[in-house]
Amino acid sequence: EVHLVESGGGLVEPGGSLRLSCAASGFTFSSAWMTWVRQAPGKGLEWVGRMKSKADGGSTDYAAPVKGRFIISRDDSKNTLYLEMNSLKTEDTAVYYCTTTHYDFWSGQRWIDYWGQGTLVTVSS
Amino acid sequence: DIQMTQSPSTLSASVGDRVTITCRASQSIVGWLAWYQQKPGKAPKLLIYKASSLEGGVPSRFSGSGSGTEFTLTISSLQPDDFASYYCQEYNSYSFGQGTKLEIK
Repeated sequence: EVHLVESGGGLVEPGGSLRLSCAASGFTFSSAWMTWVRQAPGKGLEWVGRMKSKADGGSTDYAAPVKGRFIISRDDSKNTLYLEMNSLKTEDTAVYYCTTTHYDFWSGQRWIDYWGQGTLVTVSS
Repeated sequence: DIQMTQSPSTLSASVGDRVTITCRASQSIVGWLAWYQQKPGKAPKLLIYKASSLEGGVPSRFSGSGSGTEFTLTISSLQPDDFASYYCQEYNSYSFGQGTKLEIK
């Protein structure tokens, strides 16, 4: 069974930094393309970024609002995904979810399938 | 970036009703669309992928259709457990729709 557990959320001041972790189990983490999705209080879902597996190049893509401030990385030896958040703004306040993606061989497309329970990040002075 | 427009934003319905939620893409996404259900305080759950394929374990009263730029999620006969928020997402650039909150009338 796929299990994703996020941690590292908390209260941080504007301009500060925070690193989130996502511990994965129940699947071959090293082969997985992983994403982060966030949800501001009372708002909708917003894709944050994605990291490919190292076998597929290990590259990352980010949404425009976080590009240049957030960094996604992974440690396949620990089955863990990270989200390093820098220069935090009040508008970054949200629950952050770690997700897996399902690869469809026939189309080459990937969609988000499993989600962690999320961790709350509050940016406030 | 692809923009996803979901409607309505709120839908009031009764148990047993048939309801439809619409999602429109700003450009063709072929059939690369997923639908998620989210209950308060919980993580989203995948319902449908490739516009019309039902995820395992999802009740057959849920169905999806569409291609190109216009897609729909239909619940054929609402059950008490279905009152939740629903989101569409295209998975070229992973943009989400704004969400639809399905409320009890």
